[in-house]
Amino acid sequence: DTAVSQTPKYLVTQMGNDKSIKCEQNLGHDTMYWYKQDSKKFLKIMFSYNNKELIINETVPNRFSPKSPDKAHLNLHINSLELGDSAVYFCASKPNLGADSPLHFGNGTRLTVT
Amino acid sequence: SQKIEQNSEALNIQEGKTATLTCNYTNYSPAYLQWYRQDPGRGPVFLLLIRENEKEKRKERLKVTFDTTLKQSLFHITASQPADSATYLCAPGHSNYQLIWGAGTKLIIKP
Repeated sequence: DTAVSQTPKYLVTQMGNDKSIKCEQNLGHDTMYWYKQDSKKFLKIMFSYNNKELIINETVPNRFSPKSPDKAHLNLHINSLELGDSAVYFCASKPNLGADSPLHFGNGTRLTVT
Repeated sequence: SQKIEQNSEALNIQEGKTATLTCNYTNYSPAYLQWYRQDPGRGPVFLLLIRENEKEKRKERLKVTFDTTLKQSLFHITASQPADSATYLCAPGHSNYQLIWGAGTKLIIKP
């Protein structure tokens, strides 16, 4: 059973389109994240949710809107896609917010904007 | 601002030797540091966590050290195997238990 699963794995779309990425974790964790990994391989945090509440919103364009319908799911909707949005997006979870416990990652969604 | 530096070039090691990867951090003092492994097309996978009051942590063939004076962590893989080839990411903990990530070091173990 996959602990953190993301769909789709690949997403190719044109500039200006709107797209969504879905994430689900079956670990019973309270805290979920969206990360962006750019071409230089740096992982940058975008959003963090704890029990469906937005905790961290880094300096991400407001074209990106996360939604957490329940604590096991964290989706990412992107409006008006731009070339610079091309990257790999990772969902991750951990047991709770206030802990140094490790992150569990999904296998990423490679977004290519043409 | 906080900065994490890892060996930017790939590290080539002969099978059976010890691989040593370096992680240097500046402008802050993390209370803990995590190491992850990332294979192509996959998400990072947690390997080890070391806290500031621990000098060394081991797990099977893996060993991590944490020198708060040098602001450095070393990650060792002993008796390396081709299956250890991957990118290894260093992630010191920041405030509110968030992580700041290095770009990773690509390790290649040659048979």
